[in-house]
Amino acid sequence: QLQLQESGPGLVKPSETLSLTCTVSGGPISDISYNWVWIRQPPGKGLEWIGTISYNGNTYYNPSLKSRVTISVDTSKNQVSLRLSSVTAADTAVYSCARHPVLRYLGGFDPWGQGTLVTVSS
Amino acid sequence: QSVLTQPPSASGAPGQRVTISCSGSTSNIGSNIVSWYQQFPGRAPKLLMYSDNYRPSGVPDRFSGSKSGTSASLAISGLQSEDEAEYYCAAWDDSLNGWAFGGGTELTVL
Repeated sequence: QLQLQESGPGLVKPSETLSLTCTVSGGPISDISYNWVWIRQPPGKGLEWIGTISYNGNTYYNPSLKSRVTISVDTSKNQVSLRLSSVTAADTAVYSCARHPVLRYLGGFDPWGQGTLVTVSS
Repeated sequence: QSVLTQPPSASGAPGQRVTISCSGSTSNIGSNIVSWYQQFPGRAPKLLMYSDNYRPSGVPDRFSGSKSGTSASLAISGLQSEDEAEYYCAAWDDSLNGWAFGGGTELTVL
């Protein structure tokens, strides 16, 4: 059974860079049938798509975050990474990784990691 | 402000049928498939419906999805107390070239 686990600092200072890792177990991250996605959820608010990376490293970012976001994959470690630069309090959220079929009609975001809360504060 | 519009709340008595709507535009729901997610407090969202009206294995058939034009709906029949959760819709948006979510609907079982 595929499992995703996010990890990284829970507290980041304003103007610094948020760095998170999603470790995938139970299946290869290089599976060409799937894309890997980062999604965040500010406390008490809804879901926001951050970006997507494909098995071959192609990336798609939310235009509102594009200038600050970098998503990458490390197939040797079976990990997907997220970097968000110049953070502010508005970036405080639970950050989750998830998998999605490349052929979108074949499924949805499944599974999800449990999510990790990142607070931006000095 | 979410790209897809959902009512902030919905409610129903046990055994009743409740419908949650998700309104979008021609660039998202009108031209792409919709998925739905169920989220309990403090938990990760769970895929409930994909490709408009397909249930993943393990999701009860009390849950059903539909779509018409630029709007989609999630229906829950035979409402149970365990259905009390937050529900989100999602769809690919061609203008955004990315995923759009609804703001979420909090379902209360009276």
